[in-house]
Amino acid sequence: DIQLTQSPSFLSASVGDRVTITCRASQGISSYLAWYQQKPGKAPKLLIYAASTLQSGVPSRFSGSGSGTEFTLTISSLQPEDFATYYCQQLNSYPLLTFGGGTKVEIK
Amino acid sequence: QVQLVESGGGVVQPGGSLRLSCAASGFTFSSYGMHWVRQAPGKGLEWVAFIRYDGSNKYYADSVKGRFTISRDNSKNTLYLQMNSLRAEDTAVYYCAKAESTTNYWYFDLWGRGTLVTVSS
Repeated sequence: DIQLTQSPSFLSASVGDRVTITCRASQGISSYLAWYQQKPGKAPKLLIYAASTLQSGVPSRFSGSGSGTEFTLTISSLQPEDFATYYCQQLNSYPLLTFGGGTKVEIK
Repeated sequence: QVQLVESGGGVVQPGGSLRLSCAASGFTFSSYGMHWVRQAPGKGLEWVAFIRYDGSNKYYADSVKGRFTISRDNSKNTLYLQMNSLRAEDTAVYYCAKAESTTNYWYFDLWGRGTLVTVSS
């Protein structure tokens, strides 16, 4: 099974900060990685797929990069509505798939 | 309106059964593979099960294999999850999600709001 390790698990940041979240896979997954945002009590929302493709309607301050085993999600300028938990998801072994443990982004 | 709406959650005793439903609308349900994903209280996301668009193939996480059964009725635009031999660790919000692909890259582009299953005596 492919494991995904996200870091950090928690981060505190201010509005306007540049934020980077890392997702590491236990084996190479090419670019078969997606990122989701989840707010409390809500369903996850797709941000990025294929490691770096921005989903339609998602603000351009979100970006993704990486391939193989190391991936990053970057928020270029954190906005108040971005405080949430972020998950990576590997789809290399689709339809068997796994999620990372999550990164909670809180207001400093 | 494009949406997924789960139902059927509730409180059940350990060893009991429950069937979840996910009603789809606003898209051609019969053209898409569908998944169930769960989230235990205060925890992360866990993939549970997948069914192909025509119901011909099904896959399960090891944690539910042999106890849960995914199915679908394309005539009713509805996805199901039959959960048997429930355990306390199955307590979670259960989401259904629609799978989409672009140039062979898969992702979940539509999620329901979830239904809470609580396994407790």
